[in-house]
Amino acid sequence: GESVGLHLPTLSVQEGDNSIINCAYSNSASDYFIWYKQESGKGPQFIIDIRSNMDKRQGQRVTVLLNKTVKHLSLQIAATQPGDSAVYFCAEILSSSGGSYIPTFGRGTSLIVHP
Amino acid sequence: EPEVTQTPSHQVTQMGQEVILRCVPISNHLYFYWYRQILGQKVEFLVSFYNNEISEKSEIFDDQFSVERPDGSNFTLKIRSTKLEDSAMYFCASMVEGRGTQYFGPGTRLLVL
Repeated sequence: GESVGLHLPTLSVQEGDNSIINCAYSNSASDYFIWYKQESGKGPQFIIDIRSNMDKRQGQRVTVLLNKTVKHLSLQIAATQPGDSAVYFCAEILSSSGGSYIPTFGRGTSLIVHP
Repeated sequence: EPEVTQTPSHQVTQMGQEVILRCVPISNHLYFYWYRQILGQKVEFLVSFYNNEISEKSEIFDDQFSVERPDGSNFTLKIRSTKLEDSAMYFCASMVEGRGTQYFGPGTRLLVL
């Protein structure tokens, strides 16, 4: 089975709404997590990251929440805009000593923002 | 803003042919990676490269694959004898240090007929 997965394959929202994209990870030893955005025909683009010693991190219009107890990660996008339409991946990394620091990606959630 | 570039953007080849996918990582980066993404599926790690040698590779990266950094700027992925199942998007990524953020290129779409 997948080591990293997403609950919703497609999320449709109206412009201006807040979006929440969820991700479950399976390796409790993973200590670094990244959200990527992938627009059609482009490579993954780093959005925000969080280390396991934190449970929340905020960026510009984005917030990542980490719940290690249930191995759950979420990405919140405030005031979603049409330009936010893309596939969003979470990735888990084992960055501690002995870890490979290679991200394991989830399948992705397609976010569709309607004007 | 510096970015990873990849060429070609699209490559069509016949099964059994060799292909070379090219990447120019960000100039001060030291760690280089290749990933692939079969249509509709997850991004999958292929290989990482540091200090002119492979540091890690996945099960996908078999003897048909090789990587090279022939000069100070290019990083290439060679598939010796392509198979139909090699059809995918291939992404190059680079990172400035071992515990940093990977920056991805736009990808090469490979189609094997």
